[in-house]
Amino acid sequence: AQKITQTQPGMFVQEKEAVTLDCTYDTSDPSYGLFWYKQPSSGEMIFLIYQGSYDQQNATEGRYSLNFQKARKSANLVISASQLGDSAMYFCAMREGWNNDMRFGAGTRLTVKP
Amino acid sequence: DGGITQSPKYLFRKEGQNVTLSCEQNLNHDAMYWYRQDPGQGLRLIYYSQIVNDFQKGDIAEGYSVSREKKESFPLTVTSAQKNPTAFYLCASSINVGDPYEQYFGPGTRLTVT
Repeated sequence: AQKITQTQPGMFVQEKEAVTLDCTYDTSDPSYGLFWYKQPSSGEMIFLIYQGSYDQQNATEGRYSLNFQKARKSANLVISASQLGDSAMYFCAMREGWNNDMRFGAGTRLTVKP
Repeated sequence: DGGITQSPKYLFRKEGQNVTLSCEQNLNHDAMYWYRQDPGQGLRLIYYSQIVNDFQKGDIAEGYSVSREKKESFPLTVTSAQKNPTAFYLCASSINVGDPYEQYFGPGTRLTVT
């Protein structure tokens, strides 16, 4: 069964606007962590933001914020004030408990239009 | 600078040959990981290692082998038993296995087998 689902294969956003990338997850473990990574065309994976299952507040890192809705099992990434350099693949990932097996979604390709 | 290096960036091999991908980190991380990424897909875990001289299989370990003789190094061998070896391979490391913190990734090696 899919642990991480990203339903948007591709997204377009106008420069300087905000965009939300969707991510839903499936786990029965009460302790888990959710991650978002950016992968530019060069291939490296860049860590963006982390949300722990027990965190009371939504995580924020600069222009990135995570809209964590625990009951709905969603962890959407919000990018504010999009820049051309934000064009890349974005992956949502989850680690359950103390498990080392980090599960990745299929990714969303974001294109920022000038 | 601290980080993870993978070499080479591009690798070409003939079918039936074993090939070893290098991964070195100077972050003093205990845990290291190998992922495979196919076009348009997320990452899948091949092997991971919590400590020197110890490693565990991930989801897709068949046709691969690893060693962890030094904390800094975690080479991956793609054997001739791997049916579809052409892919992008990413190495990662983290502070400690089981903690919620992010994995740091290397730049990746793109392997083409013909």
